[in-house]
Amino acid sequence: AQTVTQSQPEMSVQEAETVTLSCTYDTSESDYYLFWYKQPPSRQMILVIRQEAYKQQNATENRFSVNFQKAAKSFSLKISDSQLGDAAMYFCAYRRTKGAQKLVFGQGTRLTINP
Amino acid sequence: NAGVTQTPKFQVLKTGQSMTLQCAQDMNHNSMYWYRQDPGMGLRLIYYSASEGTTDKGEVPNGYNVSRLNKREFSLRLESAAPSQTSVYFCASSENYGSYNEQFFGPGTRLTVL
Repeated sequence: AQTVTQSQPEMSVQEAETVTLSCTYDTSESDYYLFWYKQPPSRQMILVIRQEAYKQQNATENRFSVNFQKAAKSFSLKISDSQLGDAAMYFCAYRRTKGAQKLVFGQGTRLTINP
Repeated sequence: NAGVTQTPKFQVLKTGQSMTLQCAQDMNHNSMYWYRQDPGMGLRLIYYSASEGTTDKGEVPNGYNVSRLNKREFSLRLESAAPSQTSVYFCASSENYGSYNEQFFGPGTRLTVL
């Protein structure tokens, strides 16, 4: 079974600084998707960024980028120019390419932005 | 376009009571999912429905039943609630089975079982 691990329960960063959230996963599949979701206090789950495993190029979305290391099974999220609105729980998630679109989530990292 | 809606938003039950959580989506998605989120943990899949008329167990199905009433609606039933089922429940939907499509989540239902 696939597993996703986020080893940082909490992180904090100064506003306008850069922060990196870590995620590792375990799978025997060669093709899959990885995601970062943001959950603000409203509880709404918001997709931040996704990465297809077959792509070597790291995904970027504005201030958000990932460092995808397939051999190491590592998938970190970098947030540049942190803003107060970035404060939230962040979840790393995995999904197989084939079959049902079941997401496997990590435990989450609570990110605090200090003004 | 409301996306994924869930009712109720909050619920308190006594041990042994039953209830049904309702979920509906207006995006014409084929697949729907129920997850639960416990404190300090990520979301875990309870049941999913890849298409209308089909349902399958996820990671933590014990104590739950589901019904895919039609393409829009996917309900989750607790027949005899237990304190261990205190959690936040999320419904999600996605367009196609077997290919990448973003899962869209509802706002969640906070359930407390006393």
